[in-house]
Amino acid sequence: GEDVEQSLFLSVREGDSSVINCTYTDSSSTYLYWYKQEPGAGLQLLTYIFSNMDMKQDQRLTVLLNKKDKHLSLRIADTQTGDSAIYFCAESMGNFNKFYFGSGTKLNVKP
Amino acid sequence: DSGVTQTPKHLITATGQRVTLRCSPRSGDLSVYWYQQSLDQGLQFLIQYYNGEERAKGNILERFSAQQFPDLHSELNLSSLELGDSALYFCASSVWGGLAGEETQYFGPGTRLLVL
Repeated sequence: GEDVEQSLFLSVREGDSSVINCTYTDSSSTYLYWYKQEPGAGLQLLTYIFSNMDMKQDQRLTVLLNKKDKHLSLRIADTQTGDSAIYFCAESMGNFNKFYFGSGTKLNVKP
Repeated sequence: DSGVTQTPKHLITATGQRVTLRCSPRSGDLSVYWYQQSLDQGLQFLIQYYNGEERAKGNILERFSAQQFPDLHSELNLSSLELGDSALYFCASSVWGGLAGEETQYFGPGTRLLVL
């Protein structure tokens, strides 16, 4: 469960959709999370998905999970400059087990 | 504001020294995690405590140690500091039992350590 990979950078224009991708290796992961880190701040939980779900929508955020390919994505609709941050995906087997984080994707939103 | 507090916010010290970082979890959270975030290593899990007991260990050096006290606050002790220990140290506390029985971690603002 230690290999969680993300691309390092993504640049989009304000108003466009952003899609941040993540792959993981541990098929026993039960919960998958997306966190946001703004400059100089701690990590803020955005959303999570349980491994038996394919999709979860929460306002402008859509999480897609392809369990067969161990691929997780976060789509941000109508991306705003305030969405500029580093986005981390994380996996956990739950039950107070370890969390494994990806390296983070730096999203840059251009006005 | 996540409800997790960490002190100090910033710490500057010299190589070879020892420092203690402190974390107070959210009220009611029994589990505390420590992470190190550096530019070249990303976010690395160090250690986890649950209700005073060590629960899981990650990439924590032998020079580092932690404990969780009866009031559930936790301390991370870093000794014989090296330049490479300069990083942002986060703690997170977690709660179990959302709608799907998931565990959710809430992160503190971090302690920025600079070793000169």
